[in-house]
Amino acid sequence: GAVVSQHPSRVICKSGTSVKIECRSLDFQATTMFWYRQFPKQSLMLMATSNEGSKATYEQGVEKDKFLINHASLTLSTLTVTSAHPEDSSFYICSAYRGLAEETQYFGPGTRLLVL
Amino acid sequence: DAKTTQPPSMDCAEGRAANLPCNHSTISGNEYVYWYRQIHSQGPQYIIHGLKNNETNEMASLIITEDRKSSTLILPHATLRDTAVYYCIVLSGNTPLVFGKGTRLSVIA
Repeated sequence: GAVVSQHPSRVICKSGTSVKIECRSLDFQATTMFWYRQFPKQSLMLMATSNEGSKATYEQGVEKDKFLINHASLTLSTLTVTSAHPEDSSFYICSAYRGLAEETQYFGPGTRLLVL
Repeated sequence: DAKTTQPPSMDCAEGRAANLPCNHSTISGNEYVYWYRQIHSQGPQYIIHGLKNNETNEMASLIITEDRKSSTLILPHATLRDTAVYYCIVLSGNTPLVFGKGTRLSVIA
């Protein structure tokens, strides 16, 4: 199956700083990437949809100025959490979609963010 | 909102078949049934998907009822490493996956 990587796997930062998370499709080109967030004991919640070369589409309640998404190439999307606060501590997961009919989405291993 | 209904938890003895049910009574004609699982602190892992025919791969089998309103994921010989939360999701095309609460499968030695 297709491989999606995320970097870093975990990060600890101070409140008020910004953190960038990278999502890469390693062996395929991803026309669309999705960003999810998962709090403890909860299911994954979609944050935004990212299409290469265009602005991301954010879900209701997700601040686009706080969670900056850049999908500059067909293999890389980045999520930047700006001015992070402790309540942003969560497990951030990306998925990539190759764009073929009936094609499944492949998930990265996730990035655990802890804001102190 | 998720369009599927799954039992919150199930237990299965190691080596036995695990049968995980899913109801999707409002599924539309062009929507596929996908199954993913999430092992603790990892990203979701794709298992299998189908439209209307039963499907089998190296991980599992998917049985879809003739009216497509429900399906069952079968892990033929469950191992301890199959302990995870299993998600049944219906979707078409490149729409984002909407995760419900899934079924927490505990495989017991």
